[in-house]
Amino acid sequence: GDSVTQMEGPVTLSEEAFLTINCTYTATGYPSLFWYVQYPGEGLQLLLKATKADDKGSNKGFEATYRKETTSFHLEKGSVQVSDSAVYFCALSSTNAGKSTFGDGTTLTVKP
Amino acid sequence: DGGITQSPKYLFRKEGQNVTLSCEQNLNHDAMYWYRQDPGQGLRLIYYSQIVNDFQKGDIAEGYSVSREKKESFPLTVTSAQKNPTAFYLCASSITQTKGELFFGEGSRLTVL
Repeated sequence: GDSVTQMEGPVTLSEEAFLTINCTYTATGYPSLFWYVQYPGEGLQLLLKATKADDKGSNKGFEATYRKETTSFHLEKGSVQVSDSAVYFCALSSTNAGKSTFGDGTTLTVKP
Repeated sequence: DGGITQSPKYLFRKEGQNVTLSCEQNLNHDAMYWYRQDPGQGLRLIYYSQIVNDFQKGDIAEGYSVSREKKESFPLTVTSAQKNPTAFYLCASSITQTKGELFFGEGSRLTVL
């Protein structure tokens, strides 16, 4: 079945540091890929998405590129802020499965 | 404003009691989902529904039940058969089941005493 593997956390960075959170996936067919963010005590919000190979999703300074050859969708940001502290989830949605599959989440803490 | 409303936000219940969590959406989405989240873990799918009067079990359906009598509503009942019900429950919807972007509610935190 489909699966998503995320870089284990927690991740602690200083403000303005570069962020990478790794995500790899296994799926049949051509899934859509997503990054969601969850702030404390809240539900998840879509951060960015990519629907086909080589697509780059971007939002709020975050970027991720759909790499079919390496089955990856790594999240990057050039300069993190304290307000980026949250839990980040990588997910995929495939037409075959008809539902989304999530990674375990990576907790990011950014210190001033 | 369009969105998903979950209630209550916090709920305390005694062991052995059934509990129903509400989920309402005004996004006109066909598909709705219930997920369970435990501390430090990812999301696990409980039930999902593609259309009114139809729903399917997810990965951890035992001890839970749902109904989908209206397009905008997808309540979840946590029954006394659920062995470890204390968790954070998230409701989500998508335009259709094949359009994978999910819209989430704020969540309901259930604590069983």
